Amino acid sequence: DARVTQTPRDKVTEMGQEVTMRCQPILGHNTVFWYRQTMMQGLELLAYFRNRAPLDDSGMPKDRFSAEMPDATLATLKIQPSEPRDSAVYFCASGSFDATGELFFGEGSRLTVL
Amino acid sequence: GEDVEQSLFLSVREGDSSVINCTYTDSSSTYLYWYKQEPGAGLQLLTYIFSNMDMKQDQRLTVLLNKKDKHLSLRIADTQTGDSAIYFCAEYSGGGADGLTFGKGTHLIIQP
Repeated sequence: DARVTQTPRDKVTEMGQEVTMRCQPILGHNTVFWYRQTMMQGLELLAYFRNRAPLDDSGMPKDRFSAEMPDATLATLKIQPSEPRDSAVYFCASGSFDATGELFFGEGSRLTVL
Repeated sequence: GEDVEQSLFLSVREGDSSVINCTYTDSSSTYLYWYKQEPGAGLQLLTYIFSNMDMKQDQRLTVLLNKKDKHLSLRIADTQTGDSAIYFCAEYSGGGADGLTFGKGTHLIIQP
């Protein structure tokens, strides 16, 4: 049963600490997205990759956030330094963009920055 | 850029029908989707409709598409407590990831 796997599921950290979230996309999917979800803003696109190349990271605060795909089985989202306003659920999603464009989401990483 | 709009909240009584609405701006949309997010989980595809259709029915779900008005709706008949979730509208205009846009999600709240 192919699925997108995210770690950690929950992370509590103090302001100023570095946070790294990891995602294993579904094997064979060539597109990987990072989304952030908060109650106030809903679902926001942060960045996405196609064939491991970053295509759009305009939704990401670049002074503290960075997203990479070191290989086809791993995508990372790093926040350094973290701030309380970064508290949210971060989702990774992957897709192969066949005719239907369906995306498959991970279960999310809930981040709380104190 | 392209935009997908939906209300943040909808409250309905158990047993009634729920209608979740969505508007989009991209006239070249080829597929329109409804994703469901249950508490503590990621989004999962609930149903989708191709742009040359105006209606799709699947058990308690009915999707209506008005392409002229760029309006999509999801009707859930006989709403149950298990339908309580956030429902996301999304549209895809082809061309890979660039062509996919999500709305911010509608929280469906079920009253007993």
